[in-house]
Amino acid sequence: GQQVMQIPQYQHVQEGEDFTTYCNSSTTLSNIQWYKQRPGGHPVFLIQLVKSGEVKKQKRLTFQFGEAKKNSSLHITATQTTDVGTYFCAYRGSTLGRLYFGRGTQLTVWP
Amino acid sequence: ETGVTQTPRHLVMGMTNKKSLKCEQHLGHNAMYWYKQSAKKPLELMFVYSLEERVENNSVPSRFSPECPNSSHLFLHLHTLQPEDSALYLCASSHTSSGETQYFGPGTRLLVL
Repeated sequence: GQQVMQIPQYQHVQEGEDFTTYCNSSTTLSNIQWYKQRPGGHPVFLIQLVKSGEVKKQKRLTFQFGEAKKNSSLHITATQTTDVGTYFCAYRGSTLGRLYFGRGTQLTVWP
Repeated sequence: ETGVTQTPRHLVMGMTNKKSLKCEQHLGHNAMYWYKQSAKKPLELMFVYSLEERVENNSVPSRFSPECPNSSHLFLHLHTLQPEDSALYLCASSHTSSGETQYFGPGTRLLVL
């Protein structure tokens, strides 16, 4: 099936620095979802993007869906220690019920 | 969040034991899922249930046996597991099985000795 490549796999930043994770696909995606998993926790839905070129913001988080609907990014402005965790992108595939997850980007924030 | 609950939260079992993981969702959803999450591996979808009917089984070994008695409950019966089965087992639910937003439970961390 389709696969999304999520980069980077790990990112270490100093508190206050910005952070971006990218999700890239070789084929057009119908939508993209982003999830966050805190250390020791479970994935929690953040947002879904559906439209070409869509941009959504949640406080310091900015989510983008590429014009060609083949890539997406999550950008965090001025990271805080509460942003620590693994960020996953996921997309709905053609198989009923199948949500394909990227490998995730593990973010560490140094105080 | 208490929409999706899982018990037990931690489980240690020997390779000859039989145990069951339980998941319950209080969201009125019609689809439920089992995922396996191992260290440094992506989330692996194991089973999908829609309206209590299994709609997907991703080549999971028969030592894992799911059961969905109703749309609110999902079980994963375990028997003769291997040490490599040690992982976090996550249950999720969604309104339908059409790839909508999934709500995850806290998971059961399983250690097979």
